[in-house]
Formats: sequence, C-alpha cells, structure tokens
Amino acid sequence: EAQVTQNPRYLITVTGKKLTVTCSQNMNHEYMSWYRQDPGLGLRQIYYSMNVEVTDKGDVPEGYKVSRKEKRNFPLILESPSPNQTSLYFCASSVLVPHNEQFFGPGTRLTVL
Amino acid sequence: DQQVKQNSPSLSVQEGRISILNCDYTNSMFDYFLWYKKYPAEGPTFLISISSIKDKNEDGRFTVFLNKSAKHLSLHIVPSQPGDSAVYFCAAIGSRLTFGEGTQLTVNP
Repeated sequence: EAQVTQNPRYLITVTGKKLTVTCSQNMNHEYMSWYRQDPGLGLRQIYYSMNVEVTDKGDVPEGYKVSRKEKRNFPLILESPSPNQTSLYFCASSVLVPHNEQFFGPGTRLTVL
Repeated sequence: DQQVKQNSPSLSVQEGRISILNCDYTNSMFDYFLWYKKYPAEGPTFLISISSIKDKNEDGRFTVFLNKSAKHLSLHIVPSQPGDSAVYFCAAIGSRLTFGEGTQLTVNP
C-alpha cells in the first residue's frame, strides 16, 4: 500500500529535550515536506526537500532541522524544543515538485511542556 | 502575511444541498490551485485541482471555479453528503505550496 508513515503519532516532552519525528514514504517520491498545523493558521511549511541531500527552508523553519540522506526518509529534528512548537505536524511527499498531488502522513501531535 | 485566505472558519449545510467553500489569494504569481480534505486524526487528502489557465474543473460531485481577476476560487459540492463533513483546505502553488486556514464543513442529515 502506497503511504507516508510518521512516528511517533503522539509525543509529550519537556523544553530543551532533543527529539526526532521520523517520516518515511514508499512511493519513490522525490519531493518531501514538513508542515505544522495550528488553529487559525492552516498548514505552514517548515522545510522541504527536492531530492536526496537537497533541503530548503519553508515559511517557518526556525527551531527545526531536517536531513535527506535517503530518498524514502525525511526526519524532522527539534534540537531544543520550546512550548511554541506544540503543534500538529504532517509530513508529505509527491512526485517531483508540489504541482503534483501531495500525499500526507497521518500526523504527529507534539506537546512541549 | 497570509497569501491564501479562507474567511469562513465553518460552514453548515443540509444533506442534499450545495456546499460552497471560498478561498481568496493575493499573489498573482500563483499558477495552480488545489483543494484538500482532512478528517480528524488523519492527514489531508487531495480532492481536486485547477490550473490558472482554466476557470472550471469538475470531478463528480466536486467542482472548482477560478476567477483570476478577483483572485478568488471556490469549491462546490453537489449534492452534499454527511461523509463530506471535514476540514477543507485551499492551497496555491507559486514557488511553493501555500495553504489557507481551512474551513470546517458540517453536512447535517
């Protein structure tokens, strides 16, 4: 089954404790992206990657890191999480550029205390 | 600066009637528009799209209209069904994909 998987689905952590949210897709997609969803703000792009070893900032990259060492994986790293990073996070992938339909993962609900 | 705006946070309609969800944008460089649907505890799923060279695209019960002069697009769902109850996001593509805030549609039986 073609899908985007994220882990964990739910995470409660404390300020400053480094964490990684994993994202994996099995569709051989070149383009991958991370979004956060907040009430009244919709989905905002954090980082995206056009291909292996190619990443770029989205609209709200501060406080986040990403890497793309393999085509299928695109982890999101919070080196020192803060409460304003409490949000619902989605990973997405698509063929080439985002003009194509993006496939979203199920989401990760992160709470930073 | 919100370049894609959905001014109605919520919309409630009766089953069988038409649902009209609206979206406005400010960036004239956007050349492709999409609608995504999101159920609780799931990721958004693609619904329908339209290129800026067209003014209408239809797929079954779903039709998207684009008015470039007004920088406005709308999604029509006819007839509406209870299973259509979800959050609908409008999105636009220029150099990146930009989403609106979303509209919660509730279809009452």
